[in-house]
Amino acid sequence: DVLMTQSPSTLSASVGDRVTITCRASQSISSWLVWYQQKPGKAPKLLIYRASTLQSGVPSRFSGSGSGTEFTLTISSLQPDDFATYYCQQHDHYPRTFGQGTKVEVK
Amino acid sequence: EVQLVESGGGLVQPGGSLRLSCAASGFTFGRFSMSWVRQAPGKALEWVAHIGNDGRELNYLDSVKGRFTISRDNAKNSLYLQMNSLRAEDTAVYYCSQGGGGYGVAWGQGTLVIVSS
Repeated sequence: DVLMTQSPSTLSASVGDRVTITCRASQSISSWLVWYQQKPGKAPKLLIYRASTLQSGVPSRFSGSGSGTEFTLTISSLQPDDFATYYCQQHDHYPRTFGQGTKVEVK
Repeated sequence: EVQLVESGGGLVQPGGSLRLSCAASGFTFGRFSMSWVRQAPGKALEWVAHIGNDGRELNYLDSVKGRFTISRDNAKNSLYLQMNSLRAEDTAVYYCSQGGGGYGVAWGQGTLVIVSS
């Protein structure tokens, strides 16, 4: 199975901060990586697909980069609505696997 | 607007069975592959099963193989997950998701399954 490792597990930040989350795959997944945002009690929301393509309707402050085994999600200027947990997921191999999540909390 | 509505969750004893359903609307259901993803309380998301748009391609998480069966009825715009021999570790919120590329573009609100005596 492809192990997805996110870092950090928790990130404390303030409104306006630039935030970067890293996701590493245990083997190459090309660009078959997506990022989700999840708020407590809610379903995940797709933010980015194919590692760097912004899903329709997602604010442009979100961006993704990377290929192969190392990927990043960046929020250029953190907004109050962005405090949430973020997950990466690979869809190159079965079983599909998720990272353990990164919780972005108020500093 | 894409809508996915799960149902069928509840409390079941270890070894018991449940059948989850997901009613889809707002898109041409038969054109999209679908998945079930679960989330145990306080834990990360975990992919469970995938079915191709015509029901022929099936993939499962190893820990549910032989116990869970994913299926669909394109005429009824519905996705199902038959869960047998349930274990405590299957306790989770189960989400159905619409995915054309192997990931969840749209998600339902989830249905809670609790396996406990």
